Formats: sequence, C-alpha cells, structure tokens
Amino acid sequence: DIQMTQSPSSLSASLGDRVTITCRASQDIGNYLTWFQQKPGKSPRRMIYGATNLEDGVPSRFSGSRSGSDYSLTISSLESEDVADYHCLQSIQYPLTFGSGTKLEIK
Amino acid sequence: QVQLTESGPGLVHPSETLSLTCTVSGFSLTGYSVYWVRQPSGKGLEWMGRMRYNGDTSYNSALKSRLSISRDTSKNQVFLKMNSLQTDDTGTYYCTRATSGYNLFDYWGQGVMVTVSS
Repeated sequence: DIQMTQSPSSLSASLGDRVTITCRASQDIGNYLTWFQQKPGKSPRRMIYGATNLEDGVPSRFSGSRSGSDYSLTISSLESEDVADYHCLQSIQYPLTFGSGTKLEIK
Repeated sequence: QVQLTESGPGLVHPSETLSLTCTVSGFSLTGYSVYWVRQPSGKGLEWMGRMRYNGDTSYNSALKSRLSISRDTSKNQVFLKMNSLQTDDTGTYYCTRATSGYNLFDYWGQGVMVTVSS
C-alpha cells in the first residue's frame, strides 16, 4: 500500500500568515493527489485535485504544488474561516490512502 | 443538484452487522462510482470500498473479509454491509462519488455516526 506521510499533525498560525501542509508519498503517485478541508462536524470538502488544480469556488489564497514525492497545500494569507482539519489523498493505486490529517488553528 | 445521503442505525452491538444506505440524486449510478469512506472519532479518513459505475466492486483489503457493497440503480441507492463489528468500528461513515482520473470525491454525504456498543 502507498503510505502518505502528512506533516505537521497540528499547526497554530496567526491571521495573515502563510501556511504550508505537506504530504510525502512512499511511491510515485504522479499528480494523483487531492486535498480536502474538513470543518468540525462537517463532511470533507475537496479543495485541490490533480495536485495543483483549484476546485471551483475555493478561495485563490489556497494552492497546491508538487516537488518530487512531496505535495504541499499552501494558504497564502490565513483567515479565520480556514480553521479546519486538512487531509491529503492518493488515488493512483488501490487501496486509496489518506494522510493522517493536519489540524490548523489560529494562534 | 447533486446530493448523497447516508442512512442507517446509529447504534450497533458488538459482533452484529452494520447496514448503511447511500441514496443519491442529481447524477446516475451508471455514470459515477460511489465510494464509502469512514472516520473513527477524532481520527483520519479511511477508504473502505467502492461500487463502480459498471457494477464492479473493490474493497480495502483490511476490511474485505467483512465488507460487502451492492446497489439498486432503480432506487438510486448503494448499500454497505459490514459484519462482525467491534468497538473500533465506531465512527462516521460517508459516501462520496467519483468518475475517473483526478475527478473524485467532489460531493460527499453528510455522514452517519455509528456507535458500536453493548
């Protein structure tokens, strides 16, 4: 199975900060990487697909990038509404596997 | 308008079978695959299995011996059955949809909380 190592597990940042969350894949997954945002008590929401494609309706302060086997979700300027858990998912190979999640809070 | 809605019992006793239904609208089960994903309380997401658009199924090997997914296209419903439930099966169960390539999990159900307890 492909392991997705997500870091950090939790993150506290100030409003306006640039925030980056990373997932490292244990095998080549190409660009089959999706990022989800999940607010407390809610279902996951797709934010980025194909590693770099922004979902319709997602604020442009969110972006996705890839460097080798490292995939990053970046928020360019943190807003209060961004407080949530973030999850990555690889979908190149079954079983599909998620990262362990990152809890993002406001400092 | 695309919608997925999970339904099922909130409480299941240990060793019993969980039965969940995902009712969809706004798209066809013969055009989209439906996946089941679960989330133990306070933990991460786990892919469980899928019903492909063509009726094929695939399962997470960690659950395969206990899990069965089926569908009724006339009712726009996908069913999950998992037997021999234990307390660590407690969590929220979601259904979501996918087509191909990168286009997966764009819509999710609201989730159903399942507690395994005697």
